[in-house]
Amino acid sequence: DTAVSQTPKYLVTQMGNDKSIKCEQNLGHDTMYWYKQDSKKFLKIMFSYNNKELIINETVPNRFSPKSPDKAHLNLHINSLELGDSAVYFCASSLQGINEQFFGPGTRLTVL
Amino acid sequence: GQQVMQIPQYQHVQEGEDFTTYCNSSTTLSNIQWYKQRPGGHPVFLIQLVKSGEVKKQKRLTFQFGEAKKNSSLHITATQTTDVGTYFCAGPRGSNYKLTFGKGTLLTVNP
Repeated sequence: DTAVSQTPKYLVTQMGNDKSIKCEQNLGHDTMYWYKQDSKKFLKIMFSYNNKELIINETVPNRFSPKSPDKAHLNLHINSLELGDSAVYFCASSLQGINEQFFGPGTRLTVL
Repeated sequence: GQQVMQIPQYQHVQEGEDFTTYCNSSTTLSNIQWYKQRPGGHPVFLIQLVKSGEVKKQKRLTFQFGEAKKNSSLHITATQTTDVGTYFCAGPRGSNYKLTFGKGTLLTVNP
């Protein structure tokens, strides 16, 4: 049973395209997150949602639009992809707030 | 803004040697968490420290939280090849919904 799952695992696309990444958790957690990990392995929070509501938007360009249809899902849509968007994107969840976080397997996005 | 600094950035050891990574915050932290990320994997939670001066052990791993709750360390005794990976510390930053991660320490172990 996968606790936090993400699809797709790999995403290769051209600059200017629009793409989505999906995340689901079956842990019954209230809080979900998106992180970006660049080539230097720096892990930076992008968004935090609690009970479907956006709590944190960490100065991410508005080309990135998260959506949480319910507590168990947090998707990330990216418009007009740029080269600098290439990274691994991790979804994570926690029971409530910044407790122990469970990370998904990551989505490696490559923009050509 | 609040930052979480972590050193060293890289550490290469011979199997059997000890390893320590250090984490420092510019402000007092309510808690600190440690994560391990294997190459090609995702971060996995190791532990959370909450109390000033707290020390916790997990087999060969020893975690400490400083008295001022601004620094922390992870010490591994007698490293094994299975310890390879990047170790991150993380602390809350201005919100109960935002963790700031250190830049991590990449540990490699020579068998």
